Amino acid sequence: DTEVTQTPKHLVMGMTNKKSLKCEQHMGHRAMYWYKQKAKKPPELMFVYSYEKLSINESVPSRFSPECPNSSLLNLHLHALQPEDSALYLCASSPSRGGRAGELFFGEGSRLTVL
Amino acid sequence: DAKTTQPNSMESNEEEPVHLPCNHSTISGTDYIHWYRQLPSQGPEYVIHGLTSNVNNRMASLAIAEDRKSSTLILHRATLRDAAVYYCILRAYSGSARQLTFGSGTQLTVLP
Repeated sequence: DTEVTQTPKHLVMGMTNKKSLKCEQHMGHRAMYWYKQKAKKPPELMFVYSYEKLSINESVPSRFSPECPNSSLLNLHLHALQPEDSALYLCASSPSRGGRAGELFFGEGSRLTVL
Repeated sequence: DAKTTQPNSMESNEEEPVHLPCNHSTISGTDYIHWYRQLPSQGPEYVIHGLTSNVNNRMASLAIAEDRKSSTLILHRATLRDAAVYYCILRAYSGSARQLTFGSGTQLTVLP
């Protein structure tokens, strides 16, 4: 199993809603990532978890709240978002050891629209 | 963080080789050079990576300059399915997790 699964694939929410994006992998990877990608732009790193601990937060606004409940799951909780937060949110994982250490495996992304 | 510079776009004919260049003049001695590609409506996928020596795999070859300030991704026979945005990335080590910072990428168009 070499997949990173993201749900939902599409999400539309109002600025007062609370929603969550979910990411799951069963490759035994201990590093997991959230990236944000706007149209025609490269992915931008948001958060990195290593061994279920938050290791990097790229100055992301607090309306985005990551959570890593176990080594296979990564969530991104969304609250009071702005229309400019509309984007494709990509989850990735990577092995921490071995020959493929550091290689990122990406999901297909969750496309978020904030009205 | 060291940065990469790539052409915005390139075109290739189907079944011909493609050479995608990348400049990374501020690369540090411990940075690995990674290439990823992103097909339309998909997440990025790993293509190849290297440190100093040229590398080959089933997807592509990576040629790294002797001074490591530039590299070239080589697709030996482009197919229509290779049309994608190709990202050249330097892998930095940060604390307990490695991170990848994407550059602007090259949009490859493959002509039939």
